[in-house]
Amino acid sequence: AQSVAQPEDQVNVAEGNPLTVKCTYSVSGNPYLFWYVQYPNRGLQFLLKYITGDNLVKGSYGFEAEFNKSQTSFHLKKPSALVSDSALYFCAVIFPGNYGQNFVFGPGTRLSVLP
Amino acid sequence: DGGITQSPKYLFRKEGQNVTLSCEQNLNHDAMYWYRQDPGQGLRLIYYSQIVNDFQKGDIAEGYSVSREKKESFPLTVTSAQKNPTAFYLCASSPFSPGSSSTDTQYFGPGTRLTVL
Repeated sequence: AQSVAQPEDQVNVAEGNPLTVKCTYSVSGNPYLFWYVQYPNRGLQFLLKYITGDNLVKGSYGFEAEFNKSQTSFHLKKPSALVSDSALYFCAVIFPGNYGQNFVFGPGTRLSVLP
Repeated sequence: DGGITQSPKYLFRKEGQNVTLSCEQNLNHDAMYWYRQDPGQGLRLIYYSQIVNDFQKGDIAEGYSVSREKKESFPLTVTSAQKNPTAFYLCASSPFSPGSSSTDTQYFGPGTRLTVL
């Protein structure tokens, strides 16, 4: 079955250190990949997406993500974390054959950036 | 949260009542979506609509109903048949083009938190 995994429920990082939030998916082919961030009691905000082209995608607020086809991963990264980056992060995937249709969301990873 | 509004922000429902959650967008997007969010489960799709007067069931449509009479509006009714409706409900829209193979980012509203008393 097609699925999206975020293997870490919680990621803790010190302010100023690099951060990584992991996402893997279980399908071959060329999915469309997205990252969203959610602050408490708010909707999701779009960070970045990969459709095609360069495997390294840059997005909002200094975030970037790298598409790795062989590892079926799309990890979110930031070189220097801020306390204000603390939030819930969701990876979302549109699988081949479902283009133009619906997202499958990962369960979310809570990021805590410690001052 | 862009040009998508959801109301009310908080909603309380008694057992056996139907309630309707509002979602309005001024982004001129064709597609609209309703998701349910529960702790630790990510977002699950309830219904979606890619064009006015048409909508499709998502993964967890039982106990919910929708309508799409206008492009800007996609209200969700939580019926008494929904056995565990307490959750955070998110509406989203995207500039989906019917018949196109392209896909676009979904933009989310601020959400409605529904609690059953």
